[in-house]
Amino acid sequence: QVQLQESGPGLVKPSETLSLTCTVSGDSVTTGTYYWSWVRQPPGKGLEWIGYIYYSGTTKYNPSLKSRVTVSVDTSKNQFSLRLRSVTAADTALYYCARLYGDHDYFDYWGQGTLVAVSS
Amino acid sequence: QSALTQPASVSGSPGQSITISCTGTNSDVGNYNLVSWYQQHPGKAPKLMIYEVTKRPSGISNRFSGSKSASTASLTLSGLQAEDEADYYCCSYAGTGTSYVFGTGTKVTVL
Repeated sequence: QVQLQESGPGLVKPSETLSLTCTVSGDSVTTGTYYWSWVRQPPGKGLEWIGYIYYSGTTKYNPSLKSRVTVSVDTSKNQFSLRLRSVTAADTALYYCARLYGDHDYFDYWGQGTLVAVSS
Repeated sequence: QSALTQPASVSGSPGQSITISCTGTNSDVGNYNLVSWYQQHPGKAPKLMIYEVTKRPSGISNRFSGSKSASTASLTLSGLQAEDEADYYCCSYAGTGTSYVFGTGTKVTVL
């Protein structure tokens, strides 16, 4: 059974960098056809795709966040990570990591989500 | 890239059928048969219900079905049950530039 678990600080100050890690179990981040993704959901609002990484290091980001986002992968730890720079209150959200099946473009496994608040 | 448009809420009585629409553009829904639907109960992660417009993952009830016409995709819930009460989101592939766009979300209420 594939499981994803987000971890990281729950509070980040404005203008600083949000950093989260997703630990994958039951699958390997080096498995072909899967892209390891981040999706966020502001409180009471809808879902927004942030970006993904393939095990080779290939990345793709939401154009609206591209200038501030970096997704990286650590194959030795079977983890992938999100960094979002220069955060504001608008970045307060529940952050999910998810597995994207690239051949068919759907998210089949999701983490439980971690709430990150941006506040001084 | 704007979010796909969904009705804010849809309701129905147990046993009835309801349909949720998801309207995009020729750059996303209208150009690719790569629409997926997710169910989200309060405090839970989204769950895949439909992919590639009409296909159901293993374990998903056949009461859930998907379709598409032009730039509007739809999710139909037949034989509505209390457990179907949740938020539903569509998602479409939108090309190599934008990649993925989600819908605005629909709250389904079972009366």
